[in-house]
Amino acid sequence: AQSVTQPDIHITVSEGASLELRCNYSYGATPYLFWYVQSPGQGLQLLLKYFSGDTLVQGIKGFEAEFKRSQSSFNLRKPSVHWSDAAEYFCAVGAGSGGSNYKLTFGKGTLLTVNP
Amino acid sequence: GAVVSQHPSRVICKSGTSVKIECRSLDFQATTMFWYRQFPKQSLMLMATSNEGSKATYEQGVEKDKFLINHASLTLSTLTVTSAHPEDSSFYICSALTPLRTDTQYFGPGTRLTVL
Repeated sequence: AQSVTQPDIHITVSEGASLELRCNYSYGATPYLFWYVQSPGQGLQLLLKYFSGDTLVQGIKGFEAEFKRSQSSFNLRKPSVHWSDAAEYFCAVGAGSGGSNYKLTFGKGTLLTVNP
Repeated sequence: GAVVSQHPSRVICKSGTSVKIECRSLDFQATTMFWYRQFPKQSLMLMATSNEGSKATYEQGVEKDKFLINHASLTLSTLTVTSAHPEDSSFYICSALTPLRTDTQYFGPGTRLTVL
């Protein structure tokens, strides 16, 4: 069974600083990987995803993530954080044959606080 | 595109009553929807997979008679929490798969259920 580990429960950065959120996964085959963001009391918004091809993927809001198979990692990065980026970030791995067989397993999330 | 809505956004009910939560795909038809439960400061736990026109598939440990799921149309799935108790209080989030990309889930904004 697949699993996702987000080692950092809470990260605080200053506005304008760079950001890296860590994600490690465990899955027997090539994974589908996702990063979602959740604002307080809200649902999840998809930031980016990796299925295959270029291991550096670009997402919305200036985020990017790099898939490193050798490290089983899919870390999320942003060069300059904005105050509006404060939220909870979830990494997820997808597995299954598609459609209703396709399931997401989420990490426990990393709460990002942005200081002015 | 790929907008998912939920209604209500918040609901408070008395112990022993039943509560229905709706999940709608607004601009696409979703043959498959998923229901998640999220406890405070926790990750999302998949409760069940809802397929239009057939019975839902529940994850291990989820009570089928407690959490009734109906996916009667291609744009609507409902979750009914029957005989609700305070321990059912939680944040319930649905997601849907679009017909063209059956490997990416789009999430609704969530429903906060409080059982008194």
